[in-house]
Amino acid sequence: GQSLEQPSEVTAVEGAIVQINCTYQTSGFYGLSWYQQHDGGAPTFLSYNALDGLEETGRFSSFLSRSDSYGYLLLQELQMKDSASYFCAVREYNQGGKLIFGQGTELSVKP
Amino acid sequence: SQTIHQWPATLVQPVGSPLSLECTVEGTSNPNLYWYRQAAGRGLQLLFYSVGIGQISSEVPQNLSASRPQDRQFILSSKKLLLSDSGFYLCAWETGSTGTEAFFGQGTRLTVV
Repeated sequence: GQSLEQPSEVTAVEGAIVQINCTYQTSGFYGLSWYQQHDGGAPTFLSYNALDGLEETGRFSSFLSRSDSYGYLLLQELQMKDSASYFCAVREYNQGGKLIFGQGTELSVKP
Repeated sequence: SQTIHQWPATLVQPVGSPLSLECTVEGTSNPNLYWYRQAAGRGLQLLFYSVGIGQISSEVPQNLSASRPQDRQFILSSKKLLLSDSGFYLCAWETGSTGTEAFFGQGTRLTVV
């Protein structure tokens, strides 16, 4: 089976940098994804890491360490519109490649 | 371009009534299809996963079933709803099990009363 752990809540101020961590336990692993969901909306894709290292997309970056079964999402220059829930997700070999989500981290950006 | 349609957006149903939620995808073929459920303030629980017509895996024992009568159509059903079936139901698709991105419909907010 698989499990993902991420903090339930994070609070930060506008303009700051915040890191949302995700640890996972899987048996076989394709990669780690991150999704954003605004209240009442559909999740939208942010990033995907298949290999170790940092992937940067504008203000958002995502990191993966396969040896540590750990990844994080880094949000820079926070804006009020970044207030949302952020989910890490894994895809596993022995689960037929199904996409499994963590419980999500609710990010609140304060002025 | 690819689009995903999910309806209805909101639904209020009495306990014991049947349910049918429909999801269709346009602009792609042979997608992997998902049904997730999300309780308020919680994560996305995978309910059903399909890699092709008639190929559906059920992830958790529950009062729900899914069918895929056509390549790009995924239906979530129940014969008799329970109060615990209330939640936000999301359909999603992707282009393969090693694809990097899944695309979600706008969701159906189901309230069982």
